[in-house]
Amino acid sequence: GNSVTQMEGPVTLSEEAFLTINCTYTATGYPSLFWYVQYPGEGLQLLLKATKADDKGSNKGFEATYRKETTSFHLEKGSVQVSDSAVYFCALVINNAGNMLTFGGGTRLMVKP
Amino acid sequence: DTAVSQTPKYLVTQMGNDKSIKCEQNLGHDTMYWYKQDSKKFLKIMFSYNNKELIINETVPNRFSPKSPDKAHLNLHINSLELGDSAVYFCASSSRGNSNQPQHFGDGTRLSIL
Repeated sequence: GNSVTQMEGPVTLSEEAFLTINCTYTATGYPSLFWYVQYPGEGLQLLLKATKADDKGSNKGFEATYRKETTSFHLEKGSVQVSDSAVYFCALVINNAGNMLTFGGGTRLMVKP
Repeated sequence: DTAVSQTPKYLVTQMGNDKSIKCEQNLGHDTMYWYKQDSKKFLKIMFSYNNKELIINETVPNRFSPKSPDKAHLNLHINSLELGDSAVYFCASSSRGNSNQPQHFGDGTRLSIL
């Protein structure tokens, strides 16, 4: 089956630190990969996506590269802000297979001033 | 304009009751979903509807019954609520024909069973 594994949190960083949240996946087909973010008390928002190998998704200073050889989609940001504190979810969809999202367990990021 | 809206935002009720959560999307999408997020933030698909027809039904007790009166609505009815049903329920929508496009999520309904 399909699965997504993320590093467990919480991840606690100081403002302007470098962020990496690891994400690896297993998939029965060719997936599209996503990062969603959930701010406190809110729903999920798409952060970035990549639909084929070697694609790089980027948004709001966050980046993730679709690595087929390592089945990974690690999230990075060069300088985090307090406002980045949230729960981050890695997810995949198998193309042409119902559009069902399979989520990782989520990683809580806490950024301190 | 809210793209995917759920009501109510909070629902507190007693064990054994029956309750419904409503979801509407104004994005013109043809596919809608219900996800459950447990206390540890783990998200799991429950149902998926395309053009009012059920296409995914994961291992969910039959106390949960989704209803889609039209493409823009997918409501979730829960009978005989149990303590383990306490969670946040998220509705989402997308266009089925293009899996590269993201799903859009509502703000969630926090269900608490007393």
